[in-house]
Amino acid sequence: AQSVTQPDIHITVSEGASLELRCNYSYGATPYLFWYVQSPGQGLQLLLKYFSGDTLVQGIKGFEAEFKRSQSSFNLRKPSVHWSDAAEYFCAVGGGSNTDKLIFGTGTRLQVFP
Amino acid sequence: EADIYQTPRYLVIGTGKKITLECSQTMGHDKMYWYQQDPGMELHLIHYSYGVNSTEKGDLSSESTVSRIRTEHFPLTLESARPSHTSQYLCASSESQGMLTEAFFGQGTRLTVV
Repeated sequence: AQSVTQPDIHITVSEGASLELRCNYSYGATPYLFWYVQSPGQGLQLLLKYFSGDTLVQGIKGFEAEFKRSQSSFNLRKPSVHWSDAAEYFCAVGGGSNTDKLIFGTGTRLQVFP
Repeated sequence: EADIYQTPRYLVIGTGKKITLECSQTMGHDKMYWYQQDPGMELHLIHYSYGVNSTEKGDLSSESTVSRIRTEHFPLTLESARPSHTSQYLCASSESQGMLTEAFFGQGTRLTVV
Protein backbone atom coordinates (compact mmCIF):
# COMPACT_ATOMS: atom_id res chain seq x y z
CA ALA A 1 0.00 0.00 0.00
CA GLN A 2 1.15 3.52 -0.72
CA SER A 3 1.64 5.57 2.40
CA VAL A 4 3.63 8.27 4.11
CA THR A 5 4.58 8.05 7.77
CA GLN A 6 5.63 10.98 9.89
CA PRO A 7 6.40 9.35 13.23
CA ASP A 8 6.67 12.56 15.23
CA ILE A 9 3.33 14.23 15.87
CA HIS A 10 4.80 17.12 17.85
CA ILE A 11 8.37 18.38 18.20
CA THR A 12 9.61 21.19 20.42
CA VAL A 13 13.00 22.84 19.91
CA SER A 14 14.75 25.93 21.18
CA GLU A 15 15.41 28.77 18.81
CA GLY A 16 18.84 28.33 17.23
CA ALA A 17 18.85 24.57 17.68
CA SER A 18 19.06 22.17 14.76
CA LEU A 19 15.99 20.36 13.49
CA GLU A 20 15.24 17.07 11.79
CA LEU A 21 11.72 15.99 10.88
CA ARG A 22 11.32 12.38 9.84
CA CYS A 23 9.41 11.04 6.87
CA ASN A 24 9.18 7.46 5.64
CA TYR A 25 7.25 6.40 2.58
CA SER A 26 5.96 3.30 0.88
CA TYR A 27 5.40 3.72 -2.84
CA GLY A 28 5.36 1.29 -5.73
CA ALA A 29 6.75 3.56 -8.43
CA THR A 30 9.70 5.93 -8.47
CA PRO A 31 8.70 8.44 -5.83
CA TYR A 32 8.41 12.16 -6.18
CA LEU A 33 8.83 13.54 -2.66
CA PHE A 34 7.71 16.82 -1.20
CA TRP A 35 7.74 18.79 2.01
CA TYR A 36 5.01 21.37 2.59
CA VAL A 37 4.68 23.78 5.52
CA GLN A 38 1.44 25.13 6.94
CA SER A 39 1.74 28.17 9.17
CA PRO A 40 -1.15 28.93 11.52
CA GLY A 41 -4.16 30.15 9.59
CA GLN A 42 -2.42 29.71 6.26
CA GLY A 43 -2.52 27.29 3.37
CA LEU A 44 0.22 24.82 2.62
CA GLN A 45 3.40 26.15 1.00
CA LEU A 46 5.95 24.04 -0.85
CA LEU A 47 9.33 23.94 0.93
CA LEU A 48 11.17 21.60 -1.42
CA LYS A 49 10.77 18.61 -3.68
CA TYR A 50 12.83 15.69 -4.95
CA PHE A 51 12.42 14.04 -8.33
CA SER A 52 15.83 12.66 -9.24
CA GLY A 53 19.52 13.49 -9.19
CA ASP A 54 21.32 14.79 -6.14
CA THR A 55 19.74 13.20 -3.12
CA LEU A 56 20.29 16.29 -0.98
CA VAL A 57 17.73 18.90 -1.91
CA GLN A 58 17.78 22.54 -0.91
CA GLY A 59 14.55 24.40 -0.32
CA ILE A 60 13.26 27.74 0.78
CA LYS A 61 13.72 29.26 4.25
CA GLY A 62 17.02 27.44 4.78
CA PHE A 63 15.53 23.93 4.78
CA GLU A 64 17.05 20.89 3.13
CA ALA A 65 16.02 17.26 2.81
CA GLU A 66 17.88 14.09 2.01
CA PHE A 67 16.43 11.21 0.01
CA LYS A 68 17.64 7.80 1.17
CA ARG A 69 16.23 5.09 -1.06
CA SER A 70 17.59 2.25 1.07
CA GLN A 71 15.70 3.58 4.08
CA SER A 72 12.65 4.85 2.17
CA SER A 73 13.14 8.13 3.95
CA PHE A 74 13.06 11.80 3.08
CA ASN A 75 13.92 13.66 6.28
CA LEU A 76 13.75 17.43 6.51
CA ARG A 77 16.53 19.36 8.23
CA LYS A 78 17.44 22.87 9.23
CA PRO A 79 20.72 23.75 11.00
CA SER A 80 19.31 26.61 13.08
CA VAL A 81 15.60 27.04 13.75
CA HIS A 82 13.96 30.46 13.94
CA TRP A 83 10.82 31.25 15.94
CA SER A 84 9.00 31.88 12.65
CA ASP A 85 9.51 28.23 11.69
CA ALA A 86 6.81 27.19 14.16
CA ALA A 87 4.22 25.51 11.93
CA GLU A 88 2.94 22.16 10.78
CA TYR A 89 5.07 20.25 8.29
CA PHE A 90 3.70 17.71 5.85
CA CYS A 91 5.64 15.16 3.85
CA ALA A 92 4.02 13.91 0.63
CA VAL A 93 4.75 11.39 -2.11
CA GLY A 94 3.49 11.06 -5.66
CA GLY A 95 4.57 9.79 -9.03
CA GLY A 96 4.14 6.96 -11.47
CA SER A 97 1.33 7.38 -13.95
CA ASN A 98 -0.68 9.60 -11.69
CA THR A 99 0.40 13.21 -11.70
CA ASP A 100 -2.64 14.46 -9.88
CA LYS A 101 -2.62 12.80 -6.52
CA LEU A 102 -0.23 13.25 -3.68
CA ILE A 103 -0.29 11.08 -0.60
CA PHE A 104 0.26 13.18 2.48
CA GLY A 105 1.53 12.22 5.91
CA THR A 106 -0.30 13.20 9.07
CA GLY A 107 2.01 16.12 9.70
CA THR A 108 4.47 17.15 12.42
CA ARG A 109 3.71 20.19 14.52
CA LEU A 110 6.86 22.17 15.34
CA GLN A 111 6.95 24.40 18.37
CA VAL A 112 9.90 26.77 18.88
CA PHE A 113 10.85 28.16 22.26
CA PRO A 114 12.86 31.40 22.56
CA GLU B 1 2.60 35.08 -3.28
CA ALA B 2 0.01 32.46 -4.18
CA ASP B 3 -3.22 33.86 -5.54
CA ILE B 4 -5.77 31.33 -4.46
CA TYR B 5 -8.59 32.36 -2.19
CA GLN B 6 -11.15 30.52 -0.16
CA THR B 7 -14.27 31.92 1.42
CA PRO B 8 -15.52 31.80 4.04
CA ARG B 9 -12.56 31.12 6.33
CA TYR B 10 -14.83 29.87 9.09
CA LEU B 11 -18.40 28.63 8.92
CA VAL B 12 -20.69 27.34 11.65
CA ILE B 13 -23.96 26.04 10.30
CA GLY B 14 -26.90 23.94 11.39
CA THR B 15 -27.61 20.39 10.30
CA GLY B 16 -29.55 20.11 7.06
CA LYS B 17 -28.43 23.42 5.59
CA LYS B 18 -27.04 23.70 2.08
CA ILE B 19 -23.60 25.26 1.92
CA THR B 20 -21.14 26.25 -0.78
CA LEU B 21 -17.46 26.73 -0.12
CA GLU B 22 -15.86 29.08 -2.61
CA CYS B 23 -12.42 28.75 -4.17
CA SER B 24 -10.91 31.06 -6.74
CA GLN B 25 -7.46 31.32 -8.28
CA THR B 26 -5.99 34.01 -10.49
CA MET B 27 -3.02 32.06 -11.81
CA GLY B 28 -4.80 30.55 -14.79
CA HIS B 29 -4.14 27.03 -13.57
CA ASP B 30 -5.99 24.23 -15.31
CA LYS B 31 -5.92 21.80 -12.40
CA MET B 32 -7.73 22.41 -9.15
CA TYR B 33 -8.26 20.22 -6.09
CA TRP B 34 -10.23 19.97 -2.87
CA TYR B 35 -8.65 18.30 0.14
CA GLN B 36 -10.22 17.47 3.49
CA GLN B 37 -8.00 17.94 6.52
CA ASP B 38 -8.79 16.67 10.01
CA PRO B 39 -6.50 17.23 13.04
CA GLY B 40 -3.79 14.59 13.25
CA MET B 41 -4.88 13.00 9.98
CA GLU B 42 -3.58 12.99 6.44
CA LEU B 43 -4.90 15.40 3.88
CA HIS B 44 -7.37 13.47 1.77
CA LEU B 45 -8.18 14.36 -1.83
CA ILE B 46 -11.96 14.52 -2.29
CA HIS B 47 -12.35 16.20 -5.71
CA TYR B 48 -10.21 17.44 -8.56
CA SER B 49 -10.62 19.01 -11.96
CA TYR B 50 -8.49 19.06 -15.09
CA GLY B 51 -10.17 22.15 -16.45
CA VAL B 52 -13.51 23.66 -17.38
CA ASN B 53 -16.37 21.14 -17.27
CA SER B 54 -14.07 18.47 -15.82
CA THR B 55 -14.61 17.06 -12.34
CA GLU B 56 -13.35 13.85 -10.77
CA LYS B 57 -13.80 12.21 -7.40
CA GLY B 58 -10.74 11.78 -5.26
CA ASP B 59 -9.59 9.00 -3.02
CA LEU B 60 -11.81 9.84 -0.07
CA SER B 61 -15.51 9.38 -0.62
CA SER B 62 -17.38 12.60 0.00
CA GLU B 63 -21.02 13.60 -0.11
CA SER B 64 -20.01 16.97 -1.48
CA THR B 65 -20.17 17.95 -5.13
CA VAL B 66 -18.09 20.35 -7.21
CA SER B 67 -18.42 22.26 -10.43
CA ARG B 68 -15.95 23.93 -12.81
CA ILE B 69 -17.76 26.34 -15.05
CA ARG B 70 -14.89 28.82 -15.17
CA THR B 71 -11.16 28.17 -15.04
CA GLU B 72 -10.66 30.32 -11.99
CA HIS B 73 -13.55 29.06 -9.89
CA PHE B 74 -14.02 25.64 -8.24
CA PRO B 75 -16.82 25.72 -5.64
CA LEU B 76 -17.69 22.81 -3.36
CA THR B 77 -21.30 22.24 -2.31
CA LEU B 78 -22.91 20.21 0.45
CA GLU B 79 -26.65 19.85 -0.19
CA SER B 80 -27.47 18.90 3.40
CA ALA B 81 -24.77 19.47 5.98
CA ARG B 82 -24.29 16.96 8.79
CA PRO B 83 -22.02 16.97 11.86
CA SER B 84 -19.84 14.34 10.15
CA HIS B 85 -18.96 17.01 7.57
CA THR B 86 -17.20 19.06 10.24
CA SER B 87 -13.63 19.44 8.99
CA GLN B 88 -11.20 21.80 7.31
CA TYR B 89 -11.45 21.99 3.54
CA LEU B 90 -8.41 23.07 1.52
CA CYS B 91 -8.51 24.13 -2.10
CA ALA B 92 -5.41 23.94 -4.29
CA SER B 93 -4.40 24.53 -7.88
CA SER B 94 -1.47 23.58 -10.07
CA GLU B 95 -0.21 23.91 -13.60
CA SER B 96 -1.07 21.32 -16.22
CA GLN B 97 1.69 18.99 -15.05
CA GLY B 98 -0.30 18.47 -11.89
CA MET B 99 0.72 18.02 -8.31
CA LEU B 100 4.19 16.83 -9.26
CA THR B 101 5.17 20.40 -9.97
CA GLU B 102 3.99 22.71 -7.24
CA ALA B 103 0.53 23.00 -5.79
CA PHE B 104 -0.70 26.30 -4.40
CA PHE B 105 -3.10 26.05 -1.49
CA GLY B 106 -5.72 28.41 -0.18
CA GLN B 107 -5.98 29.25 3.51
CA GLY B 108 -8.78 26.77 4.01
CA THR B 109 -12.35 26.85 5.23
CA ARG B 110 -12.99 25.46 8.67
CA LEU B 111 -16.53 24.07 8.67
CA THR B 112 -18.45 23.19 11.82
CA VAL B 113 -21.89 21.62 11.51
CA VAL B 114 -23.93 21.70 14.69
